[in-house]
Amino acid sequence: DAKTTQPNSMESNEEEPVHLPCNHSTISGTDYIHWYRQLPSQGPEYVIHGLTSNVNNRMASLAIAEDRKSSTLILHRATLRDAAVYYCILLNSGNTPLVFGKGTRLSVIA
Amino acid sequence: GAGVSQSPSNKVTEKGKDVELRCDPISGHTALYWYRQSLGQGLEFLIYFQGNSAPDKSGLPSDRFSAERTGGSVSTLTIQRTQQEDSAVYLCASSLARRGVRTEAFFGQGTRLTVV
Repeated sequence: DAKTTQPNSMESNEEEPVHLPCNHSTISGTDYIHWYRQLPSQGPEYVIHGLTSNVNNRMASLAIAEDRKSSTLILHRATLRDAAVYYCILLNSGNTPLVFGKGTRLSVIA
Repeated sequence: GAGVSQSPSNKVTEKGKDVELRCDPISGHTALYWYRQSLGQGLEFLIYFQGNSAPDKSGLPSDRFSAERTGGSVSTLTIQRTQQEDSAVYLCASSLARRGVRTEAFFGQGTRLTVV
């Protein structure tokens, strides 16, 4: 199974942009890159996903490297509410489950 | 309801008893997942149902754990002869699968299980 590697933790100042990296050097052509986050004491929530092109939604942007071996989740202006564990997950079109790794714990400083 | 519903929200049980946890997924969602999260720990995958395919049970920690999904909708996770280490929050999620591509998964609020 294709795996992802993320830093254990990151810190950001409030109102600043945050770039959360994810390496997935063994990604296959049919793997979609999904991002979820888990706020304290809550279940995970979907953030964004993409295949090859960069994606934007109301929550974040996803920048995917041309070779697809890495991607970056971009929060344009971090708020205190964005403090969470962020997970980068690869999902293909087969019947593989959504499995969470350790993720990156993002701290936001006021 | 509009979201994934889990019941009960809290369950306290005595060691050795059996418990059943229920998950009502979003209507029409073909994929259903169960996870557990012990205090301060990560999300541990338990089991995955996708349409009419055989469930992926690779995450179930022991044969005391089982799950079923009736009629492609409601799912029940059963833990037999509960142990104290089973204490955790059990989370259920559901998603669509369009032409084999999984869309976003929606999570329920979880069932907090405490084994005393």
